[in-house]
Amino acid sequence: SQQGEEDPQALSIQEGENATMNCSYKTSINNLQWYRQNSGRGLVHLILIRSNEREKHSGRLRVTLDTSKKSSSLLITASRAADTASYFCATDRGGYQKVTFGTGTKLQVIP
Amino acid sequence: DTEVTQTPKHLVMGMTNKKSLKCEQHMGHRAMYWYKQKAKKPPELMFVYSYEKLSINESVPSRFSPECPNSSLLNLHLHALQPEDSALYLCASSRGQGGIQPQHFGDGTRLSIL
Repeated sequence: SQQGEEDPQALSIQEGENATMNCSYKTSINNLQWYRQNSGRGLVHLILIRSNEREKHSGRLRVTLDTSKKSSSLLITASRAADTASYFCATDRGGYQKVTFGTGTKLQVIP
Repeated sequence: DTEVTQTPKHLVMGMTNKKSLKCEQHMGHRAMYWYKQKAKKPPELMFVYSYEKLSINESVPSRFSPECPNSSLLNLHLHALQPEDSALYLCASSRGQGGIQPQHFGDGTRLSIL
C-alpha cells in the first residue's frame, strides 16, 4: 500500500511563479525524500529530509517536514519550463525497510 | 545521462516468450532495486538486492525472476507474462539499503506484452 498521498495531483503555473506541492503520509517515518521524473525517464533524487529536521534547502528547492501533521511540502521557486515533470515524495520507516513512493504531482510550467 | 544503464529500452514479447531485462551500475553501490511503474502511477517496489543477496521480495509472481550475478549487474528474467505486466520497469541502485540512501534510477525498460 502507498505510504504517501500528494496534492495537488496536477499543477499548471507560469514560468517564474513558485510551485508548491504537498505530501501526506500515514505512519511514522525515518526519512522523506523528493524525486523528479521527466516524461519517459527514470526518477532523479532531489532532496532528503530526516524526521528530526524541519526544513531543508537546495538551490531553488525548499522542503519542509511536519511530523506532527505527517506532512511535507516541496516548494520550487522561480519555476522554469525545464521543471515540468512529475514529483514524488518517498518515505521509509528506518533500518532496511523499503522506500515507498507517494502518488505524485504532475507539474506543468508554461513558458 | 544516467549512471544506471538499462537494456533494452523497449521490449515487446508474447505471453509464451522468455526474455531478460538488464541493469548495470559502476558507482560501487551495494544495493540494487527493481520497480514496476504503470502509467500515471508511482513506482512499486518488486525486489531489493543488498550485497548481491535478495533482501526484499514484495510477493512478486514467480514469472518474474531476479538475478544479481555481481555487484554491478542486476537482471530480471521474464517468462509467461500476462498483458497486465505491461509497464515501465525501472532499476535503481544506492550505496546501501535503507531510506537514508538516495536511489539512482535508470531510464527503464518499457515492456509490452501481446
